[in-house]
Amino acid sequence: KAGVTQTPRYLIKTRGQQVTLSCSPISGHRSVSWYQQTPGQGLQFLFEYFSETQRNKGNFPGRFSGRQFSNSRSEMNVSTLELGDSALYLCASSLDGIGEKLFFGSGTQLSVL
Amino acid sequence: DAKTTQPPSMDCAEGRAANLPCNHSTISGNEYVYWYRQIHSQGPQYIIHGLKNNETNEMASLIITEDRKSSTLILPHATLRDTAVYYCIVREQQRAGGTSYGKLTFGQGTILTVHP
Repeated sequence: KAGVTQTPRYLIKTRGQQVTLSCSPISGHRSVSWYQQTPGQGLQFLFEYFSETQRNKGNFPGRFSGRQFSNSRSEMNVSTLELGDSALYLCASSLDGIGEKLFFGSGTQLSVL
Repeated sequence: DAKTTQPPSMDCAEGRAANLPCNHSTISGNEYVYWYRQIHSQGPQYIIHGLKNNETNEMASLIITEDRKSSTLILPHATLRDTAVYYCIVREQQRAGGTSYGKLTFGQGTILTVHP
């Protein structure tokens, strides 16, 4: 079956703009998590959604938000972009967020100029 | 979740076994050891996990010491495509009503380079 799909693959924005990233989980998976990866901080957990509800949240400012739709697809939004938001944003899906395996997409590479 | 310590980099010859160590001396009884890897420009990929018994699957073997303070991921016949960053993660057993939904705490990992 198809894996986790993230769009777009690459994105260039300027400071102050906002951006929306999309993630389609594996069919049947109801949990979607988001991660930020930078060379300096590595992989960091942003938040997790299940059945359209945010159940878990990492230590990121309120400019980072997300949502999940009834078909389990998820979007994350970053408002008022800063240069430091340049990163690879990864989405992961699992059946219920409780199980052992997370399945990651290839990510969206965001560059903020 | 307990902290893990991994060597920053390792080399391995193609066709030989790659043995990647991980220290997790503060691991508690209900914490599992997970291994993921990340090949350049891709998302992390699950490899294997275990609690206290040794585990094997089609990708790798996981050897956990009896005191559970360290473990070794073994790729039995490394190929060039195994070149990646390997992450050892300790994660408590997940259950409904818990607080770690969907969360993995990644360290810096080990950069494994497989050379011809």
